[in-house]
Parts: sequence; structure tokens; C-alpha cells
Amino acid sequence: ETGVTQSPTHLIKTRGQQVTLRCSSQSGHNTVSWYQQALGQGPQFIFQYYREEENGRGNFPPRFSGLQFPNYSSELNVNALELDDSALYLCASSLPRGTSKDLYSYEQYFGPGTRLTVT
Amino acid sequence: DQQVKQNSPSLSVQEGRISILNCDYTNSMFDYFLWYKKYPAEGPTFLISISSIKDKNEDGRFTVFLNKSAKHLSLHIVPSQPGDSAVYFCAASSYAGGTSYGKLTFGQGTILTVHP
Repeated sequence: ETGVTQSPTHLIKTRGQQVTLRCSSQSGHNTVSWYQQALGQGPQFIFQYYREEENGRGNFPPRFSGLQFPNYSSELNVNALELDDSALYLCASSLPRGTSKDLYSYEQYFGPGTRLTVT
Repeated sequence: DQQVKQNSPSLSVQEGRISILNCDYTNSMFDYFLWYKKYPAEGPTFLISISSIKDKNEDGRFTVFLNKSAKHLSLHIVPSQPGDSAVYFCAASSYAGGTSYGKLTFGQGTILTVHP
């Protein structure tokens, strides 16, 4: 069984640029969540995708956007990069339980993350 | 607004002894709690979880206790091993319906060091 993978491992960008981070879900998982982890903090929820649609969003501006593809892999795009966007970006996959009315992703399985540095 | 708090930034324990990591939450809507372990240069690894309908869940050396009235949970590791040295995060989740499925709210983490 393949775990969650992310690319690239590290990335350095300049303020104002745009960046795309990629994630491949764990085999069989159809839900992907993205988190931002600043230094010394816990991960913060950015958004979640389920079956190619956004399924919940945290307190992040619209310049953070995402996509999920039919094979359940996902992208996180950040436009107009700011210095405060420097962080570890984590992708997590999960398999919701229950019926469509009871979608509740409990355990989420994380990839190794992408370290983004904005200068 | 920090809804999940881990007030101890670090904990140092001797090998073989018990490690107790604590976590407090403020949102009474949380109904599922998880512990993750994180090594440097790796993503968080799921460790153990507990539903709000229980007060204890055990898995090998790891036990999580939940005190809903106090809005407090703890992770006990017995016996502690040097390989347990890592950052431990507690996380909470709630079924909010609508578009809020599956969001995990994390604490700031506690660095556990187990000395041989």
C-alpha cells in the first residue's frame, strides 16, 4: 500500500510569485486535506477536497486554491506569495466513513510535507 | 483563538518511565480526538484516537484518556522508549455538517525527549 507522497520536498520562491504543490493520496483514499504548519506551531487547516470538490475551508484567503483530480491526487496553489506564507505544507488523505449524509473523515494520514520559503 | 492547547512545550522522561502528555480544548462541539507523532523531516503519524462517547482508549503502550467535563485529554506512554522522542500533537474534530467535514484542529505540540 502506497502512502501519501508530496512534491517537491523544498521550494524557494520570491514574494509575489505563484507556487503549485502536489500530493498523491494513499491508495483507496478519496479525500485530501491541506494544512499549513508554521515554525513552532501545529498544522492549520487550509481546505479539504472530496471527489474533486472543495469540501470545507479554513481561515485562508482566496489566493490559496486547490484542485483534486479523478485519481484523487491534489494540488495546492498559492498566488501572490507573501513572506508569511513560508511554512511546511502538509497534505493528508482519508477515507470518510458512512453514507454521503454521514461523511466524516476522522483519521487523516499525512505526507512528509513541502517546505516553502518565500524571500 | 486557540481551541486546542498543549501548554507544555517540552517534556523530558527517563527510559522505562511513564510519559504523560496533556491537551486542553475549549470547543464543546469537538467529538473526536486524535494524537499524532512527528519526527523531523517527516509528516505527522497517526498514533491513537478516542471518540467523545468513551473516556479511555488503549493501544499497546499508548493510552488516551478523555475528561469531557474538564475538556481535557492526555496521552500516556508506558514504558517510554528513546524512539518515542518526537513532537506530539493532539488534534480535535467535530461533525459540523455542511462543508466542514473532517477538519482537524491541532494544538501547538509537545516535544518529548526520552533519555536512555
